[in-house]
Amino acid sequence: KNQVEQSPQSLIILEGKNCTLQCNYTVSPFSNLRWYKQDTGRGPVSLTIMTFSENTKSNGRYTATLDADTKQSSLHITASQLSDSASYICVVSWLIYNQGGKLIFGQGTELSVKP
Amino acid sequence: DGGITQSPKYLFRKEGQNVTLSCEQNLNHDAMYWYRQDPGQGLRLIYYSQIVNDFQKGDIAEGYSVSREKKESFPLTVTSAQKNPTAFYLCASASGRVVNIQYFGAGTRLSVL
Repeated sequence: KNQVEQSPQSLIILEGKNCTLQCNYTVSPFSNLRWYKQDTGRGPVSLTIMTFSENTKSNGRYTATLDADTKQSSLHITASQLSDSASYICVVSWLIYNQGGKLIFGQGTELSVKP
Repeated sequence: DGGITQSPKYLFRKEGQNVTLSCEQNLNHDAMYWYRQDPGQGLRLIYYSQIVNDFQKGDIAEGYSVSREKKESFPLTVTSAQKNPTAFYLCASASGRVVNIQYFGAGTRLSVL
């Protein structure tokens, strides 16, 4: 069964600290993996997108890594800010023959940054 | 401003009533999607359309209907057959088919009176 599992479910950190969010997937065949940030009551916004040949991709203080062999990805946030408080969603694109890609969404990690 | 506009932001449905959620995009994207988001769960696909006048059911299409008469618009109707409609509904659009980024609207929160 194609699944995307994220951990932890929620996380509280102090402003200025670093943190790492995890994503494990069982989707096959795999096309690409994305990380989205979703503020409360808003739509998700794309942070990074990686194909199976990419190991790491950065977007400012956000760095995503991908190990396609172990089917694991992580999102590292450096020097956290209060505005980083949001839900972070891992999304894997499942390649379906002749139908393009279908997205499988993780349940999200709720990050709270405290002053 | 380029982007995806969903309206209304909040919507209330009475018993037995059909309601329609609007989604408009000016990104010139061919593909559009409707998702449902419930607390503690990942987004689930309701319907998607990859071209005008064509759409396909997603994983949870029962109780919903859509139309795609224009490239820019992809309205979602929540029918009275949907017995548990309370959720956050997100519309998205994308160009291309495989390696693409979906751009999301701000969402519509639907509640039952």
